[in-house]
Amino acid sequence: QQKVQQSPESLIVPEGGMASLNCTSSDRNVDYFWWYRQHSGKSPKMLMSIFSNGEKEEGRFTVHLNKASLHTSLHIRDSQPSDSALYLCAASMYRGSALGRLHFGAGTQLIVIP
Amino acid sequence: AQTIHQWPVAEIKAVGSPLSLGCTIKGKSSPNLYWYWQATGGTLQQLFYSITVGQVESVVQLNLSASRPKDDQFILSTEKLLLSHSGFYLCAWTGGPYEQYFGPGTRLTVL
Repeated sequence: QQKVQQSPESLIVPEGGMASLNCTSSDRNVDYFWWYRQHSGKSPKMLMSIFSNGEKEEGRFTVHLNKASLHTSLHIRDSQPSDSALYLCAASMYRGSALGRLHFGAGTQLIVIP
Repeated sequence: AQTIHQWPVAEIKAVGSPLSLGCTIKGKSSPNLYWYWQATGGTLQQLFYSITVGQVESVVQLNLSASRPKDDQFILSTEKLLLSHSGFYLCAWTGGPYEQYFGPGTRLTVL
């Protein structure tokens, strides 16, 4: 069973619209969550990380975290066609000097239609 | 600035043949290094991680092995490839609890 569940599997939004992606961990030991974006054929690029309850905003991207429910969400406002990609959520513990095992979800495929 | 390089960019190999993939990071002292594998259409899986030279921890057994011969180098290898080894291999490094960066990846096709 996947330790990190992402929803929806795919999402289509119009250009300029808001995209909302969800991620939940079933492992209560996780401390940190990351969101990555992976364009087709490319390696994942880190978008944002979050480890405290609440909200974090960087440009058009906002991440929320609820540690009690181990749920994080990524919101992209004013979506652009270049945002079309696979969005990956990852969760991990951080102990000492190294990250513990990083678990990735299967991803949400975002398509932004011009 | 840190840079991470992987080689080769792509590889086509026969079943049963050996494999060696490399990863080098420059501009970062004593990085934590990781190998990941992503099957086509599949989920990214962590394979190995290393926090220091000569030390490697295995996360997922896929008939692969890893070594860290130098502070800035991480090697993934096997003596006998399987069809199931095909996919995208990614090396990553962490600079702290908030950041993990991936290299450009090596695309492996096993025939």
